[in-house]
Amino acid sequence: TQLLEQSPQFLSIQEGENLTVYCNSSSVFSSLQWYRQEPGEGPVLLVTVVTGGEVKKLKRLTFQFGDARKDSSLHITAAQPGDTGLYLCAGGRTNAGKSTFGDGTTLTVKP
Amino acid sequence: ETGVTQTPRHLVMGMTNKKSLKCEQHLGHNAMYWYKQSAKKPLELMFVYSLEERVENNSVPSRFSPECPNSSHLFLHLHTLQPEDSALYLCASSQDLESPLHFGNGTRLTVT
Repeated sequence: TQLLEQSPQFLSIQEGENLTVYCNSSSVFSSLQWYRQEPGEGPVLLVTVVTGGEVKKLKRLTFQFGDARKDSSLHITAAQPGDTGLYLCAGGRTNAGKSTFGDGTTLTVKP
Repeated sequence: ETGVTQTPRHLVMGMTNKKSLKCEQHLGHNAMYWYKQSAKKPLELMFVYSLEERVENNSVPSRFSPECPNSSHLFLHLHTLQPEDSALYLCASSQDLESPLHFGNGTRLTVT
C-alpha cells in the first residue's frame, strides 16, 4: 500500500515560472521531510516539518505541512534550471522508526 | 569529504557472481539503512541497523545479506542475483531512528 502520493509525477516548466508540488496521505505523520535528488546522486534533505500548519521557507522554496499532518506542499518561486531534480517527500510516524517515501515528482526547468 | 560514502559507484555482475557493496558514514550517526531505488517505483527500504543491531528486514530475498560490523560501516553482500535486481542501491544514515536521513550517492548495479 502506497502511503504517500506525490503529484504531479512529472513537471516541465520554463525558467522563471512558479510551481507547486504536493504530497498527500490518508495517514497522520509525526514529521515530514522533503528531499531533492539530482541525477547520479543520492537524495539530499531540504527541510523537515513537524507541526500541523507549519510553513518553512528556504530561499525560493516554501514548504507547508497540512493542519492535520497528512499532507504537504512545496512551492517554488521563479524556478531556475538548478532546481531540476526529483523531489521526494518522506513521512515519519511516531514510534515507527522509519520513513515512508512517496514516488517523487520529477521537475525539469528549461532555460 | 562527503558524510556518507558508497563504493563502488557502478557495478556490473553476472547472475552467478558474488559481490559486496560498501557504505561508510563519517557523521557519528547511530542508524544505517539500505534502500533500493528502481525506475518508476518509490524508494524501497531493505534493511535498518541501529547501534549495529538489525531492527528491520523488509521481506528482502536471502540473496541480499547485510552486515554492520560497527556503527560507521555497512555492507550489502550479493549472490546469485536476478536481472530484476538491477537498480540504484542507496545507503543512508541518521542520528537515530526518528531523525532525517543522510544519503550516499548510491551504487548503480546492473545484473546481466
